Amino acid sequence: EVQLVESGGGLVQPGGSLRLSCAASGFTFSDYWMNWVRQAPGKGLEWLANIKQDGSEKNYVDSVKGRFTISRDNAKNSLYLQMNSLKVEDTALYFCAGGSHFDYWGQGNLVTVSS
Amino acid sequence: QAVVTQEPSLTVSPGGTVTLTCDSSTGGVTSGHYPYWFQQKPGQAPRTLIYGTNNKQSWTPARFSGSLLGGRAALTLSGAQPEDEAEYYCLLSCGGPWVFGGGTKLTVL
Repeated sequence: EVQLVESGGGLVQPGGSLRLSCAASGFTFSDYWMNWVRQAPGKGLEWLANIKQDGSEKNYVDSVKGRFTISRDNAKNSLYLQMNSLKVEDTALYFCAGGSHFDYWGQGNLVTVSS
Repeated sequence: QAVVTQEPSLTVSPGGTVTLTCDSSTGGVTSGHYPYWFQQKPGQAPRTLIYGTNNKQSWTPARFSGSLLGGRAALTLSGAQPEDEAEYYCLLSCGGPWVFGGGTKLTVL
């Protein structure tokens, strides 16, 4: 059974940092690009970043460039999102997603940025 | 980066047909944008219905189809069922980054 399980979210003050993790199982993680997508409460989906199979290529949405860093460890079947300089507007449910065609999604991990 | 636009809401009668569209601020949507369509129900993660304009996942009901129409990506639902009531999002490849549309809330009524 394919599983993507996000962790590392929680409450953080503006300007703070968090590192999200996504543990993958049930498929060959190293075969696929992986993505982070977020959804603010009551809002739509926002694609944030992706990373190539070997980590050699990364892309970001403009709103997080320079603040967020995507990375992966294929030996641990894990995807990461380092989030720095967090803003109130970064409050959202964060999903990891991947597969040939965004086939696999986690259930999301809530990040709340508030003072 | 591009802004991707969808109808905010649409209503379809049970058994009816509806087409949702997806437009890009940078010009017409082409197959090069590799359009995706996702369905999301409350409290659930999104799931892919269509990828690469018109390709279906194994779990995609036959009543859903994807196409390009007049410079936009389109998702057509033929024979709507009550369980199709959901939010639908398109996703376009923009030369590296991807961009979601704002979503269409589809009501089956």
